[in-house]
Amino acid sequence: GAGVSQSPSNKVTEKGKDVELRCDPISGHTALYWYRQRLGQGLEFLIYFQGNSAPDKSGLPSDRFSAERTGESVSTLTIQRTQQEDSAVYLCASSLEDRDFETQYFGPGTRLLVL
Amino acid sequence: AQSVTQLDSHVSVSEGTPVLLRCNYSSSYSPSLFWYVQHPNKGLQLLLKYTSAATLVKGINGFEAEFKKSETSFHLTKPSAHMSDAAEYFCVVASGTYKYIFGTGTRLKVLA
Repeated sequence: GAGVSQSPSNKVTEKGKDVELRCDPISGHTALYWYRQRLGQGLEFLIYFQGNSAPDKSGLPSDRFSAERTGESVSTLTIQRTQQEDSAVYLCASSLEDRDFETQYFGPGTRLLVL
Repeated sequence: AQSVTQLDSHVSVSEGTPVLLRCNYSSSYSPSLFWYVQHPNKGLQLLLKYTSAATLVKGINGFEAEFKKSETSFHLTKPSAHMSDAAEYFCVVASGTYKYIFGTGTRLKVLA
């Protein structure tokens, strides 16, 4: 079956522009997660969805970051007024349920470069 | 609170020799533990996971890990390294919550 997909795979933008990153989770997965991976570092949790609700937005670094999920499926992460420090790989994952023992399946990521 | 420490940022081994990637964790509850691998420009792939069943967990590509509660460790091993094992490996803990806590990663280099 299809895995988690993300688009675009690469995005180059200018400082101050807005960007939208898209995630298509595995069909039937109720939980969806966004992470950020800066060069040479581990993954940093950003936000989590259960269905279309986001019970935990604690990892969003600033109010320039927002995310939504519709139809218990596709999610979009939006970064407004991008800054150079936003350059990173943004990874999306999904899991069947939001339980600690559930495997999270990761997409290939969107590599964002802010010039 | 939960945390995970990967003790080595880089490990080099010769092809055909054993691999040991070390991971220690801290958690308030009985943890779930995972190892993921990330090949260059690829997504994260699950190698194996521990969820309070057998303490010795076998994963894909000949990897295995042993959960040792007394040592709060979950080290990843493989008897014989292959060139294709060269990648970055992440140890992950989740304890009583969906939230994955990632280690900082260990980059494995396999020498011919």
